[in-house]
Amino acid sequence: GNSVTQMEGPVTLSEEAFLTINCTYTATGYPSLFWYVQYPGEGLQLLLKATKADDKGSNKGFEATYRKETTSFHLEKGSVQVSDSAVYFCALTGGNQFYFGTGTSLTVIP
Amino acid sequence: NAGVTQTPKFQVLKTGQSMTLQCAQDMNHEYMSWYRQDPGMGLRLIHYSVGAGITDQGEVPNGYNVSRSTTEDFPLRLLSAAPSQTSVYFCASSTGGSAKNIQYFGAGTRLSVL
Repeated sequence: GNSVTQMEGPVTLSEEAFLTINCTYTATGYPSLFWYVQYPGEGLQLLLKATKADDKGSNKGFEATYRKETTSFHLEKGSVQVSDSAVYFCALTGGNQFYFGTGTSLTVIP
Repeated sequence: NAGVTQTPKFQVLKTGQSMTLQCAQDMNHEYMSWYRQDPGMGLRLIHYSVGAGITDQGEVPNGYNVSRSTTEDFPLRLLSAAPSQTSVYFCASSTGGSAKNIQYFGAGTRLSVL
């Protein structure tokens, strides 16, 4: 079946630190992979996506590369800001459904 | 653009009561879905629809009904609320008939069942 496993949080970083949030997946076929972000009190919004192996999604300084050989889609950012504090969800599509990870809470302190 | 609009934002029910969570989108999206978000569980799909008149079950459909009579609206009905249905509910929509496209989420409905 389809599933997503992402690193548990919460994660606390100082401003300008390097961020990595690990995500691995299990899927049949060739899914598209996504990172969504949820700010406090809001719904999820798309951060970035990749639709095939070796694609790199990027947005707002965040990057993730679709690695078929390791079934991974790790999220990275070189220098986090306080405004990046949020919950991050890794997700994939399978058929007509989305499958989300459990979410990783990130807090960035000045 | 309004995007995806969910009402109400907050609701408290007693066990056994019924209610409908409303979801409307103004983007002419064919695909709509309902999720519940619980601590440590991420988002779990309840029901989805690939177009007007077509609905299907997701991962956790028990206790919930849906219908899709128009492209714009996708209400979620709780027929007899239970404390296990205390959660935050999100509606989402996307273009085309496939979930492979970007999903746009509403702001959520926080439901407490006492």
